[in-house]
Amino acid sequence: DAGVIQSPRHEVTEMGQEVTLRCKPISGHNSLFWYRQTMMRGLELLIYFNNNVPIDDSGMPEDRFSAKMPNASFSTLKIQPSEPRDSAVYFCASGDSSYEQYFGPGTRLTVT
Amino acid sequence: GESVGLHLPTLSVQEGDNSIINCAYSNSASDYFIWYKQESGKGPQFIIDIRSNMDKRQGQRVTVLLNKTVKHLSLQIAATQPGDSAVYFCAENIPPGDMRFGAGTRLTVKP
Repeated sequence: DAGVIQSPRHEVTEMGQEVTLRCKPISGHNSLFWYRQTMMRGLELLIYFNNNVPIDDSGMPEDRFSAKMPNASFSTLKIQPSEPRDSAVYFCASGDSSYEQYFGPGTRLTVT
Repeated sequence: GESVGLHLPTLSVQEGDNSIINCAYSNSASDYFIWYKQESGKGPQFIIDIRSNMDKRQGQRVTVLLNKTVKHLSLQIAATQPGDSAVYFCAENIPPGDMRFGAGTRLTVKP
């Protein structure tokens, strides 16, 4: 298995632009998680899905952030409009019936 | 002004020595714990886990100890190698499925 796949790996955009991050979980996994990692706040859970349904989005910073999981093999995290303070590494992770989460390589987002 | 970020605890050990990384968790109801390793430029990677009904679990060169009385978790790495240099995170699962990560500890192995 290729593991969790994220794209793009790097994204540089100007503030005000829309950013879409993509994730393909490991086949057969039924949970998907979006995290943000910064030096200031460490690793933060933004939202997680179970069987494609959002379970807990309390970590989503504000309405500019939205996440979807239209099917078991794809999820997006969208930021619109983006701001410089959104600059971070965004990780997607997937999991099966155990608690273990398998992390993707991350997307490094820079908003100028 | 100067930016303030997380000041990760750091541990520096000599190659071949044993390492002990500590973690204090927050919730006495947490029922499952994981240690992750994150190398520079990569996502966290699972190392070892332990359920709350256990106090010790061993893997290959790693041992996790759980002390529920004081809500403390530790990761012991035997014969530390340069490839073990990374940031190590503990994570606790607060039922039914809220996984919380600690701030991390940076381990540096000196050759």
